Amino acid sequence: QKEVEQDPGPLSVPEGAIVSLNCTYSNSAFQYFMWYRQYSRKGPELLMYTYSSGNKEDGRFTAQVDKSSKYISLFIRDSQPSDSATYLCAMSINNYGQNFVFGPGTRLSVLP
Amino acid sequence: GAGVSQTPSNKVTEKGKYVELRCDPISGHTALYWYRQSLGQGPEFLIYFQGTGAADDSGLPNDRFFAVRPEGSVSTLKIQRTERGDSAVYLCASSPAGGVTDTQYFGPGTRLTVL
Repeated sequence: QKEVEQDPGPLSVPEGAIVSLNCTYSNSAFQYFMWYRQYSRKGPELLMYTYSSGNKEDGRFTAQVDKSSKYISLFIRDSQPSDSATYLCAMSINNYGQNFVFGPGTRLSVLP
Repeated sequence: GAGVSQTPSNKVTEKGKYVELRCDPISGHTALYWYRQSLGQGPEFLIYFQGTGAADDSGLPNDRFFAVRPEGSVSTLKIQRTERGDSAVYLCASSPAGGVTDTQYFGPGTRLTVL
């Protein structure tokens, strides 16, 4: 079993839909959870991070962490074609910044 | 301002050759990271620099891989005796001080192909 798992997709949705992206993980020591967006042939860019369990909202994006289930989610409201990208979750045990563990990514396509 | 830049953008080499990949971080960023990303996978951590020193090199796969950051800014990832399995996109990222809550800014990557 991989340490962090994501459905690779592709996930296709119509413009304006609510998108739900998810990751599961096996290491209960993870405390910090991040979501990155990666466009084709570009480096990842950080969307959001959360610490421990709970929700965090930033504009059209909401991140949820359920540590009891080892499950995290990213919701995108009013999805746009420009949201079409690969979404990667990443996790870390501590705040020292090294040795993040990334999921394999979910490819999202928002159709106009 | 300028983001993280990486050169070359593409590198094709033959099995057994030596390659160097360069990363120019954002000016003033003390933390620098190298990752490797294979097709359909997320980035895999290789090494983390804080200033000039390697704070964590636990992700380097073997002793063919080595990285330096002699003056605390530009970093070079060096791969000796390349193998076909080394083919991947090598990503560099920098952040102001390091730490999870400190945003990492990624470069566009160097696509390495070992024939």
